[in-house]
Amino acid sequence: DTGVSQDPRHKITKRGQNVTFRCDPISEHNRLYWYRQTLGQGPEFLTYFQNEAQLEKSRLLSDRFSAERPKGSFSTLEIQRTEQGDSAMYLCASSLARRLAGAEQFFGPGTRLTVL
Amino acid sequence: AQSVTQPDIHITVSEGASLELRCNYSYGATPYLFWYVQSPGQGLQLLLKYFSGDTLVQGIKGFEAEFKRSQSSFNLRKPSVHWSDAAEYFCAVGGNNDMRFGAGTRLTVKP
Repeated sequence: DTGVSQDPRHKITKRGQNVTFRCDPISEHNRLYWYRQTLGQGPEFLTYFQNEAQLEKSRLLSDRFSAERPKGSFSTLEIQRTEQGDSAMYLCASSLARRLAGAEQFFGPGTRLTVL
Repeated sequence: AQSVTQPDIHITVSEGASLELRCNYSYGATPYLFWYVQSPGQGLQLLLKYFSGDTLVQGIKGFEAEFKRSQSSFNLRKPSVHWSDAAEYFCAVGGNNDMRFGAGTRLTVKP
């Protein structure tokens, strides 16, 4: 399968613990995005990378959140000192950005986080 | 600031009936517009997209959407709904860097 993959698919943790999610984009895609989706809402943009550079971060991304894409391939999203409000689906997407065209984003299945 | 409004939270249609899901957007420049579908426990799948050109866009699974600049709308349509179309539908607007999604419309299909 050559789509976007995410691991784990589900994560249950206790409040205060740290969690890390991984996203593997489509191999030739240079952009990688992270979104958060809560129940009954559409995905909310968190951050995106072009190759290994993190180019934009949403105000939703508090200091407890950090994302990396060290070699311009896979990415990790870490949440430190988790809170119950962090419970959500975390979606990763990738795209091949071209200068003159809007880039279609391809989404992974998501990681569902439950903070107890 | 870019934003998307999907006025209908939940729509129920009978199988075989036609469908229209509404989407209104706010965007400062020429928008790139998308419709995604999400089935329970699944990621988002792109149904169709509008970048430029013909304002009537054909997508997968028999869906189409029409871009109306004067109304800032990008409504999704299907002439005959199948039971397998029951899902959550999201309209999104974006440029080259990010994407903003609406809150979604949940579609229920009655037999």
